[in-house]
Amino acid sequence: RKEVEQDPGPFNVPEGATVAFNCTYSNSASQSFFWYRQDCRKEPKLLMSVYSSGNEDGRFTAQLNRASQYISLLIRDSKLSDSATYLCVVNSPGSSFGAGTRLTVKP
Amino acid sequence: GAVVSQHPSWVICKSGTSVKIECRSLDFQATTMFWYRQFPKQSLMLMATSNEGSKATYEQGVEKDKFLINHASLTLSTLTVTSAHPEDSSFYICSASPSGSQSEQFFGPGTRLTVL
Repeated sequence: RKEVEQDPGPFNVPEGATVAFNCTYSNSASQSFFWYRQDCRKEPKLLMSVYSSGNEDGRFTAQLNRASQYISLLIRDSKLSDSATYLCVVNSPGSSFGAGTRLTVKP
Repeated sequence: GAVVSQHPSWVICKSGTSVKIECRSLDFQATTMFWYRQFPKQSLMLMATSNEGSKATYEQGVEKDKFLINHASLTLSTLTVTSAHPEDSSFYICSASPSGSQSEQFFGPGTRLTVL
């Protein structure tokens, strides 16, 4: 079993839609969690950290469920510029990456 | 955020040559840096963990004699792809964390290697 499993994509949504990604992890001792965004042929860039209490940054909301061992990312009011691959990262320590979920927001 | 640079950004070389890629943390010190490889439409795959002043730790299946890692200072790690072959063509990315392995990583811009 992979350490981090991520929703298979691709997700194709219209502008303005709400879309959610989930990511499950296998190591219950994992300590920190992040969502990264990767544009085509570019390096990943940190989108947001994920805290136990949940956190929100504008249209993006990240949540952590330790009991069920998953993290989620919710994007509201999708923009064309949100089109990218979203990677979840779990530190256990040592970073494990999800395979990434490709999101395409269409006009 | 912290800045990580990588050089070169792209390289094309002939089969059998060696290619060195540099990864630098510009505004912080990093005792540990990470090297990843990413093939088209695939996820990042950790190759090795580079430790300043000691030997790198390689992931299973990654040949240490093929991918030489040197972490000579707290701000510089290098990856040398020795005797490169076309199957080594890939996107190589390094990352570093200012606060140790539990904090977020900052990635270099990546190096696209094409071996002819």
